[in-house]
Amino acid sequence: DAGVTQSPTHLIKTRGQQVTLRCSPISGHKSVSWYQQVLGQGPQFIFQYYEKEERGRGNFPDRFSARQFPNYSSELNVNALLLGDSALYLCASSLRLAGIPLSSYNEQFFGPGTRLTVL
Amino acid sequence: SQKIEQNSEALNIQEGKTATLTCNYTNYSPAYLQWYRQDPGRGPVFLLLIRENEKEKRKERLKVTFDTTLKQSLFHITASQPADSATYLCAFNDYKLSFGAGTTVTVRA
Repeated sequence: DAGVTQSPTHLIKTRGQQVTLRCSPISGHKSVSWYQQVLGQGPQFIFQYYEKEERGRGNFPDRFSARQFPNYSSELNVNALLLGDSALYLCASSLRLAGIPLSSYNEQFFGPGTRLTVL
Repeated sequence: SQKIEQNSEALNIQEGKTATLTCNYTNYSPAYLQWYRQDPGRGPVFLLLIRENEKEKRKERLKVTFDTTLKQSLFHITASQPADSATYLCAFNDYKLSFGAGTTVTVRA
């Protein structure tokens, strides 16, 4: 079975540009979460989507937005890129809404990430 | 605010030895604590989960302890191998995962 897939693998943008990152969850998974990982730090939560609705948002500016499509794939958009947006962007999927109590239904599986470099 | 801290320094150990990693947390009482492995340029991979009412959990050469009084989890890799070289992350789980910064382990042959 295919795991979580993300595209593109790498991306180079300049300050002020806009970027769209894509994620395809594991087949049957209805929840997608996005994380940002800056070099040397742990992943930081950005968004969670379940059944095409936003169910959680981390402490990120409004330049960050996302959506989930009827096939449960997801896009993360970042506008007006800053140098500090350079990071590995990770997508994680789960069968159901990630949360507690933890079970096999809401365990999150991560994709390989998209490496974004802003020059 | 919630805070998770892991050993900030990288850990270099000889093959066959035990690696012990520390995860401390403040301002939170997690019901679960998870450990992940992350290789360079890749996403985290789940290793172990321990619940607040469990003191210890084992999986093959891995062992995790959870002390809710000390607000600390220890992660042990016994009989370490060069293939164990990676960054190890601890995380709380509620509706999102809150990660520590990770500890990089290098096992020398």
